[in-house]
Amino acid sequence: QQQVKQSPQSLIVQKGGISIINCAYENTAFDYFPWYQQFPGKGPALLIAIRPDVSEKKEGRFTISFNKSAKQFSLHIMDSQPGDSATYFCAPRGNDMRFGAGTRLTVKP
Amino acid sequence: SAVISQKPSRDICQRGTSLTIQCQVDSQVTMMFWYRQQPGQSLTLIATANQGSEATYESGFVIDKFPISRPNLTFSTLTVSNMSPEDSSIYLCSVEDWDREWGYTFGSGTRLTVV
Repeated sequence: QQQVKQSPQSLIVQKGGISIINCAYENTAFDYFPWYQQFPGKGPALLIAIRPDVSEKKEGRFTISFNKSAKQFSLHIMDSQPGDSATYFCAPRGNDMRFGAGTRLTVKP
Repeated sequence: SAVISQKPSRDICQRGTSLTIQCQVDSQVTMMFWYRQQPGQSLTLIATANQGSEATYESGFVIDKFPISRPNLTFSTLTVSNMSPEDSSIYLCSVEDWDREWGYTFGSGTRLTVV
């Protein structure tokens, strides 16, 4: 059973543009919705996370939008920079945690 | 937030041998997690290690192949036994980080190549 679907698989954005990555889940027991950022040769690092009692959370250029009824949440990166080039994973969790397949983001200068 | 030191950072091993990966955390934690990440792929949980009890393995992973030790609240090891080229992967340890909104903190990983 595929519990987490992340899209797109890869994304190329021009510097200054908006990057949008989506995550759909099936398990209604998930109660914590984080996004992780991973650079080559490093472990994933928590970027931003949201609880289901709010629909949006913003931290600097990064925003999570959460749609509980649709069982989806997304990551928006405003004013994307070349330093944002990395792989991003959604990883919703409840009693366990499931990583999405990952999105490789490339921000072109 | 927690800081994790993982050793070695990379290794090249002969098939049939074993490699032990160490994970040291700078604070006491109840659970430690071991993941495998094949190149360009997502993370797959191998097992959860609690101090003082047997590790809990996920489907597809067995103790004979991936024995885990958890001697105290800040340290754990994962051994990859009787290695084959299919074991070539990145192995990561992780802890739940109360300081970071219940997120997980990961080590930098061990890049294993089996030849």
